[in-house]
Amino acid sequence: QKEVEQNSGPLSVPEGAIASLNCTYSDRGSQSFFWYRQYSGKSPELIMFIYSNGDKEDGRFTAQLNKASQYVSLLIRDSQPSDSATYLCAARSGGSYIPTFGRGTSLIVHP
Amino acid sequence: EAQVTQNPRYLITVTGKKLTVTCSQNMNHEYMSWYRQDPGLGLRQIYYSMNVEVTDKGDVPEGYKVSRKEKRNFPLILESPSPNQTSLYFCASSPFYSGTSTYEQYFGPGTRLTVT
Repeated sequence: QKEVEQNSGPLSVPEGAIASLNCTYSDRGSQSFFWYRQYSGKSPELIMFIYSNGDKEDGRFTAQLNKASQYVSLLIRDSQPSDSATYLCAARSGGSYIPTFGRGTSLIVHP
Repeated sequence: EAQVTQNPRYLITVTGKKLTVTCSQNMNHEYMSWYRQDPGLGLRQIYYSMNVEVTDKGDVPEGYKVSRKEKRNFPLILESPSPNQTSLYFCASSPFYSGTSTYEQYFGPGTRLTVT
């Protein structure tokens, strides 16, 4: 059974701080990893994907992948109240087009 | 504009009354899927389709049917809805890529279904 685990939170950080969201996955064959942001009642929106070990940066977002530890993280620098949302982690195995989603971590950025 | 559309966006119905939620994408994607989302349970896949006339069960297929007669459309059918199918439903589509290339799913806006 492929599993993607996330702490449900909520993770509360002050405005301007770095928010760190974590995700672990069980399938060692996973090759691609995704972070989606989902506002309450809205559809998930892809914000980052990563498939190589190390860091990938895009604006205020940095995704970090450690395949040996089966660990993916998302860092949000200079957090803003508009970043308050649920963040879904997803993993896709090589040869499969079907991603497995975690249950999401709720992030609250307070002024 | 590239998008996935779903209709209706909101639906309140009664137990046992057949309903269909439509999903359409204009990106010529091969892969389409349906998810339901419930508080604390995250996104759970109901059915998916790899291409026209090719469908398969996801994690929670009971009580649902799908069809894929055209590439752009992937309707979700509830033959006899029950209250435990009250949920937020998302349709998603994606192109196929090989190897480790990105595999981004594009989600529709969601359909909030209430079965009384």
